[in-house]
Order: sequence, then structure tokens, then C-alpha cells
Amino acid sequence: GEDVEQSLFLSVREGDSSVINCTYTDSSSTYLYWYKQEPGAGLQLLTYIFSNMDMKQDQRLTVLLNKKDKHLSLRIADTQTGDSAIYFCAEKVREIPTFGRGTSLIVHP
Amino acid sequence: ETGVTQTPRHLVMGMTNKKSLKCEQHLGHNAMYWYKQSAKKPLELMFVYSLEERVENNSVPSRFSPECPNSSHLFLHLHTLQPEDSALYLCASSRTQGQPQHFGDGTRLSIL
Repeated sequence: GEDVEQSLFLSVREGDSSVINCTYTDSSSTYLYWYKQEPGAGLQLLTYIFSNMDMKQDQRLTVLLNKKDKHLSLRIADTQTGDSAIYFCAEKVREIPTFGRGTSLIVHP
Repeated sequence: ETGVTQTPRHLVMGMTNKKSLKCEQHLGHNAMYWYKQSAKKPLELMFVYSLEERVENNSVPSRFSPECPNSSHLFLHLHTLQPEDSALYLCASSRTQGQPQHFGDGTRLSIL
């Protein structure tokens, strides 16, 4: 299987919360990242969490890390149409980041 | 303003052409990366430079040749490409290797 796995699509209604999930395989990951990619653009770093933390909050974004299950999630509160994009989870192992395939978030009215 | 600028944004070339992709960053970062992004595949790391020295080369075919003349510039020289090389090529930089990365908007490459 792949080192970092994400579901490919998520559809939510505007104003609801979105939760994007990610699983990774390497327990020696030191950082875990979330990136956002809008059409025609590169990846934009949204937030990251150190492996010794279990939660990080930044305005509408909440990252939860379960090291035991190697599970990372990104919650977006009050999702807006401007949040429609592809979201990538990545882990850093031995100075090399490994990315998932990305989750396409579709926000509809 | 992403801080990482890639040119050209789009490139169409034949299989026998030679072209180069350029990446420039003025963030004071010491590490730079080339990635290939294809539809339905994970982001593929191609090359990593740290302090202008290549530190990673992930089994990339020799028809792709990177160059890092200084810490602000990174090139990807292309020659004799194949149709399966059509993809979005992304450049990124980070303060040091392994730190959170800043990406450019990519060069969309199409091989005829």
C-alpha cells in the first residue's frame, strides 16, 4: 500500500464542518503537514503539527493526530465555497516529505 | 505572491526538443525541490538540493537534468522527453531540508 493514504473526494454543504482524514505508515514521522491546492496553482502550506502533539488549532482549522493509529485529520469549521480545493496530507520522515494523493473538497450551497 | 516563481507556466514541446524549466525563490531558503504531479498519482519527489548540492535523486530518468547554480535558482533541463512525461512540474523551497515547503504554481508540460 501507499505510505500516506487519503480518501479522494469529500462533498459538504456551505456552513457545515469538513473533516479530511489521512493515515500514514511510518511511526518515525516528525512533522505532519496539510497543504491546499487550488486550480492552476501550487500547494500552499495550511498548517503542520509536530509528532509530539495531539492537537493544533488555527482559526477555522483544527488538526488532530492519533499517533497510536497513525491517523491525522483536518477539520475546517464553517466551510465556505472558497475552501473548495485539493487537500494534501504529508509526513516528514528522515528529512523527506511524502505526500498522499490528495482529497478533493467540494463545497456546495 | 507565493515567494517561489516558476517559468514558463505552460510549455508544449516535441519529443526531440530541448527546453528548461526555471524556478526562483527570494525567501532565503537553503533547500529546493522538483516534484512531478500527474493525474491520479501521488506527488512524486524528483530531486532535492540542499545548500546547492544534490542530496536526493529518486530514480529519475536521465532525460531530466537538474541544475542549482545558487541557493535562489533551480533549473530542470529537459531533452528527448516521452508523452508520459506530460505533467505539472512543481518547484518548492524550504528553510532547510525537511522544513515546511513553499511551492511555486508549477509549469504545465505537454509532450507532443
